[in-house]
Amino acid sequence: SQQGEEDPQALSIQEGENATMNCSYKTSINNLQWYRQNSGRGLVHLILIRSNEREKHSGRLRVTLDTSKKSSSLLITASRAADTASYFCATGLRSNDYKLSFGAGTTVTVRA
Amino acid sequence: NAGVTQTPKFQVLKTGQSMTLQCAQDMNHEYMSWYRQDPGMGLRLIHYSVGAGITDQGEVPNGYNVSRSTTEDFPLRLLSAAPSQTSVYFCASSNDRQGGTEAFFGQGTRLTVV
Repeated sequence: SQQGEEDPQALSIQEGENATMNCSYKTSINNLQWYRQNSGRGLVHLILIRSNEREKHSGRLRVTLDTSKKSSSLLITASRAADTASYFCATGLRSNDYKLSFGAGTTVTVRA
Repeated sequence: NAGVTQTPKFQVLKTGQSMTLQCAQDMNHEYMSWYRQDPGMGLRLIHYSVGAGITDQGEVPNGYNVSRSTTEDFPLRLLSAAPSQTSVYFCASSNDRQGGTEAFFGQGTRLTVV
């Protein structure tokens, strides 16, 4: 069964606005990762946050991790049309974190 | 570096036919995995390998076989295709890094079984 679940399933925002999506997971993890998938393409790694970290930044991306609530959030600031994509969280389990478990994703549409 | 290369990009099979999806990586990564992606389901792990000669089953292995004779290649075989195997297939590779393993994905193979 899938470990992570993203919320919301879909998000539509205006260019320049911020986009926030959440991920909840079920078991203890070694790390949590976020990936982006443009339509018809493969997944691209965005950011990895370790289980002992609470927040991480990469450019316009901000990820938080709350292991007590088994949840993470991804914030994209000042969104652009090029941010239109599906975003997936993936968890790496403590025992074997190369076996990633993915959620169903959040589809983000940025309107010009 | 080409990264992870999958072939073919598109394939149509008839029920009962067999085929092999190819995956190659040029990053000398230890770990390689096959996922399938279905609408609304995210990615589900089919099979994975932690090194040449070592493979194991993932979440949805039935109907698929894999082998890993070299570090670079990790082909996925469908022995007798079924309509339920219509999906987009992704190969991924990663290496052991302290704190986590970032996966690199191929561009996918869109398979339709009729």
